[in-house]
Amino acid sequence: DAGVTQSPTHLIKTRGQHVTLRCSPISGHKSVSWYQQVLGQGPQFIFQYYEKEERGRGNFPDRFSARQFPNYSSELNVNALLLGDSALYLCASANRDYTGELFFGEGSRLTVL
Amino acid sequence: GEDVEQSLFLSVREGDSSVINCTYTDSSSTYLYWYKQEPGAGLQLLTYIFSNMDMKQDQRLTVLLNKKDKHLSLRIADTQTGDSAIYFCAGLSGGYNKLIFGAGTRLAVHP
Repeated sequence: DAGVTQSPTHLIKTRGQHVTLRCSPISGHKSVSWYQQVLGQGPQFIFQYYEKEERGRGNFPDRFSARQFPNYSSELNVNALLLGDSALYLCASANRDYTGELFFGEGSRLTVL
Repeated sequence: GEDVEQSLFLSVREGDSSVINCTYTDSSSTYLYWYKQEPGAGLQLLTYIFSNMDMKQDQRLTVLLNKKDKHLSLRIADTQTGDSAIYFCAGLSGGYNKLIFGAGTRLAVHP
């Protein structure tokens, strides 16, 4: 069975641009969460979606937005990119809300120049 | 507030046991996790423990939870070079799938 898949794996953008990152959860999983991991730190929670509804939002500016589609895949959008947005963006999949089994993808590494 | 703390570095000899420690502040964390991250990779779920348990064992991994002291530990028996990685402790918070992570413990295994 396929695990959590994320695309693209690597990308380079310049300041002020916009980026869209994509995540496909494990088949049958209805919850997708997004995390930002800056080099040398632990991941920071950005959003969680369950059954296409936003369940939680972390302490990130409005430049960050996300949505979940009917097939439970998800997109994370970041507008007006800053140098500090350079990070590994991780997606986590779960079969339900508030659960022990949270599985991560390999991440999308974003570099902002 | 929500916070998770870990020591930053641990060095062990191959074949010995490794013990990675973590403390957390959110007493409402129902689930506590250990993830492994190898260089350039995502997070691999190693194990998790429900807060009403004191211990969980899974092959070479043993998790101990002391709720009174808000202390979580991960013991890896017979540590191998392939165990070299960063290990993250995390707690589930907020009533939904929000994980609060520590900064990670880098485990170095030497011959």
